[in-house]
This record gives sequence, C-alpha cells and structure tokens, in this order.
Amino acid sequence: RKEVEQDPGPFNVPEGATVAFNCTYSNSASQSFFWYRQDCRKEPKLLMSVYSSGNEDGRFTAQLNRASQYISLLIRDSKLSDSATYLCVALNTPLVFGKGTRLSVIA
Amino acid sequence: DAGVTQSPTHLIKTRGQQVTLRCSPISGHKSVSWYQQVLGQGPQFIFQYYEKEERGRGNFPDRFSARQFPNYSSELNVNALLLGDSALYLCASSLAGQTTNEKLFFGSGTQLSVL
Repeated sequence: RKEVEQDPGPFNVPEGATVAFNCTYSNSASQSFFWYRQDCRKEPKLLMSVYSSGNEDGRFTAQLNRASQYISLLIRDSKLSDSATYLCVALNTPLVFGKGTRLSVIA
Repeated sequence: DAGVTQSPTHLIKTRGQQVTLRCSPISGHKSVSWYQQVLGQGPQFIFQYYEKEERGRGNFPDRFSARQFPNYSSELNVNALLLGDSALYLCASSLAGQTTNEKLFFGSGTQLSVL
C-alpha cells in the first residue's frame, strides 16, 4: 500500500463548480499534512497546510481526519486558473507526496 | 530575493554516463532536499542535507549521491545513468530542516532525459 494515495483524476469541472479531493495516508505517525499545487512542467508550490481543526484560505478549505487517516481539499467557485495537479503531502520525515489529482476547470 | 535556483534546466545524456545537478537554496536557508519526479508520479525523496551533513536518504541506489557545500548550495550526482533515471529533479530548500510544519520551497527543477 502506498503511503499517500490520491485519485489521479482527471476531474473536469465547469467554472464556478465546487470540487473536492480526498487523500488517504497509511502512516499514523505522520506529523503534518499539506496540499501542494503543481502546474504542468513546473515545480510544486505550497497551497496550504492542513490542520485537525480545518483551515480555510479564500475559496480553499482543507481538513484532516486523523481517526480515518484522510485529508481533503475543497475548492469553491472554481476558476480556469485553478486547473493544475494537486499533490497531497504527509510529513513522515521527509515529505511523502501522493501522485497528485489532476483538475481541469472548463469555461 | 532570489528563490531556489537549479542548473541546468534541461539535460540530455546517454545510458552509462554521469550527471551532476546543482542547486542554490534561498538565502538564509540551511537545508536542501532533492526529489525525483517521474512523469505522472509525485516527487520521490532522494536526499536531505542540513549544515553539510546528510539528514536523510530515500530508497535510491548507490549510483545517487549528493553533497552540500559551506555556502549551503548542493550537488546531486548520478552515475551509470539508466533510461529510468529520466525525470524532473527538484531541489527544495528550507530554513532549518526541522521536521514539523516547516515549509519547503522548490526550485523549477532540472529535466533530465537519458537516451
């Protein structure tokens, strides 16, 4: 079993839609969690950290469920510029990345 | 302020050759990590260095080696290249290489193609 698993997608959604990604992790000792965004042929960039209490940054909401060992990312009011691959990351020293979920927002 | 810089941006090698990739971290950052990203996969951890010492190593063969210099820049060396080494090699820097919640900043990577 992979340490961090994600649905690879692609998720094709219209502009303005709400889309949610889930990610599961196998190592219960994982200390911290993150969502990174990666555009085609570019480097990953930190989107947000994920806390047990949940956190929100504008249209983006991330949640962590330690009991079920999954994290989620919700994107509201999708924009064309949200099209990218979203990488779920667990900190097990070092960071362990999922394969990523590809999102395409369509006009 | 300059971000993480990597060189070269692209590289083409043939099987059996050796390659050296370079990385300069953000000014003030003392930790450098290397990741390999094969097309369609997430980045895979190769090495982490902090204060010139190896802090961690991923599941890669001994053909892969790295070092960190006094100015905190780093080199990744790969010997006896195989076709499967073709990938985007990412360097990431962080302030102190601590384990909890420290943010990683990635360079734009070196795209290595092995023919």
